Amino acid sequence: AIQLTQSPSSLSASVGDRVTITCRASQGISSALAWYQQKPGQPPQLLIYDASSLARGVPSRFSGRGSGTDFTLTISSLQPEDFATYYCQQFYNFPLAFGPGTKVDIK
Amino acid sequence: QVLLEQSGAEVKKPGSSVKVSCKAPAGTLPTYAISWVRQAPGQGLEWVGGIIPIYGATYYTHNRVTIIADKTTNTVYMELSRLRSEDTAVYYCARGIIVPSDISPYYFYYMDVWGKGTTVTVSS
Repeated sequence: AIQLTQSPSSLSASVGDRVTITCRASQGISSALAWYQQKPGQPPQLLIYDASSLARGVPSRFSGRGSGTDFTLTISSLQPEDFATYYCQQFYNFPLAFGPGTKVDIK
Repeated sequence: QVLLEQSGAEVKKPGSSVKVSCKAPAGTLPTYAISWVRQAPGQGLEWVGGIIPIYGATYYTHNRVTIIADKTTNTVYMELSRLRSEDTAVYYCARGIIVPSDISPYYFYYMDVWGKGTTVTVSS
């Protein structure tokens, strides 16, 4: 089974900061990676699919890059509503899998 | 706005079964996959399994899980048997965008619309 790791597991940042989260796959997954944002008490929300495509309605300050085994999610200028937990997910092979999550909180 | 309507919270005894439903808008099941993802208290997301109704294709991560689709009512059910305390979690259904594979005859998916979740508590 493909395993995903994320780094860091948590980070503290300020409004306006540029934030980058890394997701690494245990084997190559081409561009079959999605990113989700989850706020407490809410279901996840799709941000990025196919590693770099922005989901409908997602602000352009979110961007994704990568292919193969190494991927990044970048928030160019952190906004108050962006404080949340972020998960990557591979859809290259079964079982589908999520990374352990990165919690972004206020510095 | 697409809505996935999930059934209400459940409290179950260890060893029993639970069946959670997810009703989708008309037109969803012929076009999309439906995935089930769970989240234990304070933990991350775990994919439980999914179904692509148009292909009749299912995949489970646990042999205690069964997922079926009722095309007449646009409803997908996830049943989990032989419940344990570790199965206590919020169970989400989510619509999956189907992606063909370059390397296998299977189809995979990522999730673009999520239900609000169903809390399942397993306790004696």
